[in-house]
Amino acid sequence: GNSVTQMEGPVTLSEEAFLTINCTYTATGYPSLFWYVQYPGEGLQLLLKATKADDKGSNKGFEATYRKETTSFHLEKGSVQVSDSAVYFCALSDHTGRRALTFGSGTRLQVQP
Amino acid sequence: EAQVTQNPRYLITVTGKKLTVTCSQNMNHEYMSWYRQDPGLGLRQIYYSMNVEVTDKGDVPEGYKVSRKEKRNFPLILESPSPNQTSLYFCASSSAGTQYFGPGTRLLVL
Repeated sequence: GNSVTQMEGPVTLSEEAFLTINCTYTATGYPSLFWYVQYPGEGLQLLLKATKADDKGSNKGFEATYRKETTSFHLEKGSVQVSDSAVYFCALSDHTGRRALTFGSGTRLQVQP
Repeated sequence: EAQVTQNPRYLITVTGKKLTVTCSQNMNHEYMSWYRQDPGLGLRQIYYSMNVEVTDKGDVPEGYKVSRKEKRNFPLILESPSPNQTSLYFCASSSAGTQYFGPGTRLLVL
């Protein structure tokens, strides 16, 4: 079956530091890949997505590249802000009729001023 | 504003007392889904619906029911809640392969 593995958190960074959150996946075929963000007390928001190999998703300074050869979709940001503190979820969808998203367990990011 | 709404946002109940969590979307999406979020497990799909009157089980359907009588609404029904259904629940609707989530309903079953 499908699975998504994310690096364990929490990740604690100082403001303006470089961020990488690793995500690898196992799936049949060619899934679509997503990063969702959950701010404290809020629901999930789509951060970015990529639908085919070598696609780069980007939004709000965050980027992730769909790497089929390494089955990875690592999230990066060049300079984090305190407002980026949240839980980040990597997820995949395998285009079956069920369209269920398979989520990683989430990585909490804490950015200190 | 395009959105998915859920009610209530917070609910405390007792074992065996039937409850319904409502979900509504204003984006005219055909596909809707329910997930539960538990610590260390991420989100798992409970039920989904491809269109009106078409529903099917997800990964963890036991103890839940759903209905889809109209396109915009997809209520989640717990006929006899138990403590292991204490969780954070999210409704989602989908278009073009991307799912959009509601704000979540935090349920505590005593």
